[in-house]
Amino acid sequence: AQSVTQPDIHITVSEGASLELRCNYSYGATPYLFWYVQSPGQGLQLLLKYFSGDTLVQGIKGFEAEFKRSQSSFNLRKPSVHWSDAAEYFCAVGLMIKAAGNKLTFGGGTRVLVKP
Amino acid sequence: EAQVTQNPRYLITVTGKKLTVTCSQNMNHEYMSWYRQDPGLGLRQIYYSMNVEVTDKGDVPEGYKVSRKEKRNFPLILESPSPNQTSLYFCASTSSAGTGGNIQYFGAGTRLSVL
Repeated sequence: AQSVTQPDIHITVSEGASLELRCNYSYGATPYLFWYVQSPGQGLQLLLKYFSGDTLVQGIKGFEAEFKRSQSSFNLRKPSVHWSDAAEYFCAVGLMIKAAGNKLTFGGGTRVLVKP
Repeated sequence: EAQVTQNPRYLITVTGKKLTVTCSQNMNHEYMSWYRQDPGLGLRQIYYSMNVEVTDKGDVPEGYKVSRKEKRNFPLILESPSPNQTSLYFCASTSSAGTGGNIQYFGAGTRLSVL
């Protein structure tokens, strides 16, 4: 079965510093890959997605992610963090399973704290 | 505006008292699903529906029911809630066309506490 691992449960970063969130997936083929953000008390917002093509994808709010097939990874980065980036971030794999339709499998999430 | 609307946003109840969380989408999506979010576990799928009158179990269906009588609505029913169903619940919808890369739209979440 497919799985998604986010090794870091919490990350604390200073405002203005760079941020990298790790995501590894386990699946027999290249799945569709997503990063979502959940701000406190809010629902999930899509940051970016990878379907195919260029392995470096740009998203909203200045985020980017790089797909590395050899490492089964899809790490999220931001060069300079703002206090408003404090949130929980989820990596997800999207699959079309014939009998089950569109399904997202999520990692456990990484909570980002931003220090002034 | 494309929306997935869940109600209520917050709910406190007692063990065994039946409750329903409603979910409605305005995008004419065929596929809808329910997830629960628990610390360290991310979101896990409870039930999904591929179209009207077509529903099936996700990864953690025990203790939940759903129905899909209309395309836009997909309520989650807890017939006899228990404390281990205390969680944050999300409804999501997407088009059923494609190969798994469709963007899913999420509701704002329902925080449920079962005492």
